[in-house]
Amino acid sequence: AQSVTQLDSQVPVFEEAPVELRCNYSSSVSVYLFWYVQYPNQGLQLLLKYLSGSTLVKGINGFEAEFNKSQTSFHLRKPSVHISDTAEYFCAVSTDYGGATNKLIFGTGTLLAVQP
Amino acid sequence: DGGITQSPKYLFRKEGQNVTLSCEQNLNHDAMYWYRQDPGQGLRLIYYSQIVNDFQKGDIAEGYSVSREKKESFPLTVTSAQKNPTAFYLCASSLQRGTYNEQFFGPGTRLTVL
Repeated sequence: AQSVTQLDSQVPVFEEAPVELRCNYSSSVSVYLFWYVQYPNQGLQLLLKYLSGSTLVKGINGFEAEFNKSQTSFHLRKPSVHISDTAEYFCAVSTDYGGATNKLIFGTGTLLAVQP
Repeated sequence: DGGITQSPKYLFRKEGQNVTLSCEQNLNHDAMYWYRQDPGQGLRLIYYSQIVNDFQKGDIAEGYSVSREKKESFPLTVTSAQKNPTAFYLCASSLQRGTYNEQFFGPGTRLTVL
């Protein structure tokens, strides 16, 4: 069975500092990996995704993530954060079910709290 | 603009009452999903539907029911059998072609049981 672990429930950081949000997954087959962002009382917005190809994936708002198959990780990074990046971030995994519904398994989320 | 709408944004319910949450999409997506979000638990799948008139249980379907009579609509009913219904409910949709298709999310409905 697949699972996703986000070890950090909350990450405080000062504005303009770099940040890394950690995500590890477990799966016995090839996976697709995603990072979503959720602002307070809103739905989820896709930040970036890894389906295949280059292991370094660039997303919106200056975020990027690196797929590491040997360490089963997909950590999210940003070199310089802004106050507006304060939000909850979810890592998710999906498996190719051979054309069946794309079921997503979500981590428990990491709250990024950017302080001035 | 294409997107997913959920209504109402906030919903209050008395214990023992059934309530129905609305989800509509105009993206012409085949698949639709309902998730429940609780603090510290991420999102959990309640039900999903790949085509009209067909749906499957997700990981936490007990106490919930759905219907898919139209491609663009996937309402969720929270029944009195759901023991702890207070949560944030998110609807999503996606195409159903190829190996993976991105899920798009609605703005959510916050349900509170009084």
